[in-house]
Amino acid sequence: QKEVEQNSGPLSVPEGAIASLNCTYSDRVSQSFFWYRQYSGKSPELIMSIYSNGDKEDGRFTAQLNKASQYVSLLIRDSQPSDSATYLCAVTFDRGSTLGRLYFGRGTQLTVWP
Amino acid sequence: DTGVSQDPRHKITKRGQNVTFRCDPISEHNRLYWYRQTLGQGPEFLTYFQNEAQLEKSRLLSDRFSAERPKGSFSTLEIQRTEQGDSAMYLCASSPHRDGPEKLFFGSGTQLSVL
Repeated sequence: QKEVEQNSGPLSVPEGAIASLNCTYSDRVSQSFFWYRQYSGKSPELIMSIYSNGDKEDGRFTAQLNKASQYVSLLIRDSQPSDSATYLCAVTFDRGSTLGRLYFGRGTQLTVWP
Repeated sequence: DTGVSQDPRHKITKRGQNVTFRCDPISEHNRLYWYRQTLGQGPEFLTYFQNEAQLEKSRLLSDRFSAERPKGSFSTLEIQRTEQGDSAMYLCASSPHRDGPEKLFFGSGTQLSVL
């Protein structure tokens, strides 16, 4: 059973703080890892992707991957109220690039208060 | 508008009726996906196409669900004999093959309510 687990929250942080979102996955053959942001009533949008162990930074966002621990996280620095959304962790479990199924976690709801 | 377009935005139907949704992907994207999302859950994979070929279908998808993508352009998702459990947001996404299958661009979705 391929599973992606996230704490549904809600996670509440003050403006300017670091928000830390966590995700674990069940299958060691997982290939690719993604974070999508979904505002209330809107569709998901991709904000980060990471493929190898370590950290990947993009602006205020940092994705961290530890395949040995089957753990991926997203850090949001200098959090803004506009970051308030649900953050979805997504994983591909299939080997190679011919299959396109993404498995999503249930999402973590983040609220950044002014 | 060059994004993924879905129609209708909302659909209310009675149990037992058939419904059909349409998705127009971004024009240069050859991969098209259907997902379903219920409140408080992440999107759940239903099926996907590369051009006109349906390459994978979720085992969770019953025989009442069918999807097509004639000529590799727009796609339709049909649900026959709808049940209350089918109530959900149906999301379509497309991706360009050159960027890998995972970089999905989602449409605004079709919200289905089965009474």
